[in-house]
Amino acid sequence: AQRVTQPEKLLSVFKGAPVELKCNYSYSGSPELFWYVQYSRQRLQLLLRHISRESIKGFTADLNKGETSFHLKKPFAQEEDSAMYYCALREMDSSYKLIFGSGTRLLVRP
Amino acid sequence: DTAVSQTPKYLVTQMGNDKSIKCEQNLGHDTMYWYKQDSKKFLKIMFSYNNKELIINETVPNRFSPKSPDKAHLNLHINSLELGDSAVYFCASSQKNRVGNTIYFGEGSWLTVV
Repeated sequence: AQRVTQPEKLLSVFKGAPVELKCNYSYSGSPELFWYVQYSRQRLQLLLRHISRESIKGFTADLNKGETSFHLKKPFAQEEDSAMYYCALREMDSSYKLIFGSGTRLLVRP
Repeated sequence: DTAVSQTPKYLVTQMGNDKSIKCEQNLGHDTMYWYKQDSKKFLKIMFSYNNKELIINETVPNRFSPKSPDKAHLNLHINSLELGDSAVYFCASSQKNRVGNTIYFGEGSWLTVV
């Protein structure tokens, strides 16, 4: 079964420290992977998608098919990065639904 | 211009009541979804409609009934509310069959059953 795993519930770092939020997936096919961010009591917003290979707000994520990972990284964390981060996989069947990981709360301390 | 809008944003109601949450999208998308985020922040899909047709119905109690009057609207009706229904319900939309297309989410509806 398709699955997305985010092993860390909470990641706490100091401002300016590097950040890596882990995401591993299992999928029988070519996955489409995303990172969504949810700031306090707000909607989920798309942060990154693997096909774009872009950098948003200093965050990057590379799809590693060998390790089945899509870790989210930022070299220098900012306080405003504090939020819930969800890794998601899109099923490429008729449903096109997103399957979310359990989320990682990033707390950036001053 | 809000792309995906849900009402109400907050809803407090008693057990046993029936309530509805409405969702509208103005993105011209053909697919809409309802997701549930529980108290532990887990996000799980409940339903999906494509052009008013139900295409996903996950393991959700029959008390939950989605209705899509047109492809821009997907409402969620809940009968006989229970304490365990307390959660944040997110509506979302996307354009199907478009690789890399984004799913856009509404702001969420915070349902508290007392």
